[in-house]
Amino acid sequence: DTGVSQNPRHKITKRGQNVTFRCDPISEHNRLYWYRQTLGQGPEFLTYFQNEAQLEKSRLLSDRFSAERPKGSFSTLEIQRTEQGDSAMYLCASSLGGVYGTEAFFGQGTRLTVV
Amino acid sequence: AQKVTQAQTEISVVEKEDVTLDCVYETRDTTYYLFWYKQPPSGELVFLIRRNSFDEQNEISGRYSWNFQKSTSSFNFTITASQVVDSAVYFCALSEAKAAGNKLTFGGGTRVLVKP
Repeated sequence: DTGVSQNPRHKITKRGQNVTFRCDPISEHNRLYWYRQTLGQGPEFLTYFQNEAQLEKSRLLSDRFSAERPKGSFSTLEIQRTEQGDSAMYLCASSLGGVYGTEAFFGQGTRLTVV
Repeated sequence: AQKVTQAQTEISVVEKEDVTLDCVYETRDTTYYLFWYKQPPSGELVFLIRRNSFDEQNEISGRYSWNFQKSTSSFNFTITASQVVDSAVYFCALSEAKAAGNKLTFGGGTRVLVKP
């Protein structure tokens, strides 16, 4: 397995458009996380899945954001009606569930620019 | 609430110098993990080390070493004999046992620039 994969790596969109990002986790990992990182800041937690169940969402995740993980495999993060403030790096990570403190492995991220 | 502070935003050193990155954390949980990640220009966060709250032993891995002190809520990271390839942004992070799903709270990061 080559690690966590995210697509696309870069996305430029016009304000008001919808965008969708995809994350393929490490195959044996049942936990999947989405984080957002703005320029010069550390990543901030958005949401996480245990298998196909979305178990927690941050207050950062407005109603315009939705994430899915059908069948507990890959995940998608959709942003509707994008705003300039959505411009950021969106990072996906995965880890083994049920083992407290296990490290999360991150993908290379999708950099979103809203113009 | 949990919080991680990395007071140094950027550190610049000349190759072969040592560099120490500070990390101070806040948590009400007695059981937690601390992490360091490296983020090179490619963007991917690379795991470096994990330390649980019950293990205060310092650790050395090659040129990297970590100093965990619960008394001061600090988990500092030292790169010995720095190299140009060490240039990156380094993040300290906290995971509380009570937090759902082992989610991470990151500090703001410290950018390390190693000049040849």
